[in-house]
Amino acid sequence: SQELEQSPQSLIVQEGKNLTINCTSSKTLYGLYWYKQKYGEGLIFLMMLQKGGEEKSHEKITAKLDEKKQQSSLHITASQPSHAGIYLCGADTFIGGSNYKLTFGKGTLLTVNP
Amino acid sequence: SQTIHQWPATLVQPVGSPLSLECTVEGTSNPNLYWYRQAAGRGLQLLFYSVGIGQISSEVPQNLSASRPQDRQFILSSKKLLLSDSGFYLCAWSRQGRETQYFGPGTRLLVL
Repeated sequence: SQELEQSPQSLIVQEGKNLTINCTSSKTLYGLYWYKQKYGEGLIFLMMLQKGGEEKSHEKITAKLDEKKQQSSLHITASQPSHAGIYLCGADTFIGGSNYKLTFGKGTLLTVNP
Repeated sequence: SQTIHQWPATLVQPVGSPLSLECTVEGTSNPNLYWYRQAAGRGLQLLFYSVGIGQISSEVPQNLSASRPQDRQFILSSKKLLLSDSGFYLCAWSRQGRETQYFGPGTRLLVL
């Protein structure tokens, strides 16, 4: 079964600093999703990556999938307190027919100090 | 646009009592539906998924069951709750095929 390892488990940064969160898979990634979660709330979809070397950006958040499709990184530029939360990566896993489930990493808790 | 609702938001139940959590989706038809549990330090675990009315697949053996009585309604149930059923339960939907999953606001369940 596919396993995703996220690092670091937690991260504390000063407002305005850049940061990177990594997600490493035990198998080739065919669809990699990044979500953000505030404590006690649902997951908010950020970005989805499929192709080796693909990079997507939304506002100050950039996600990349490496060429070998086994590692993804999420980079935040000039962090703000609004970026605080838990970041989760999830990978597509085939479950039959034309359907997929998501296997998640354990998440990275980001704290941004003003 | 599509929205997903879950209720209740919070629930405190005694051990041995029954459980019913509800999830509904608006603005789409024939969605795939999913129930996840998030426990502290253990990440998100898929419990059940459904690709159509009455079609339920279970990912892990447990004390819970799921039903899909209508196209956009997904229910998580238990006849007798255990302490280990405590956690944060999230419902999600996606279109058929390899599509992004969108999550509801979650239900926090505390079994005492």
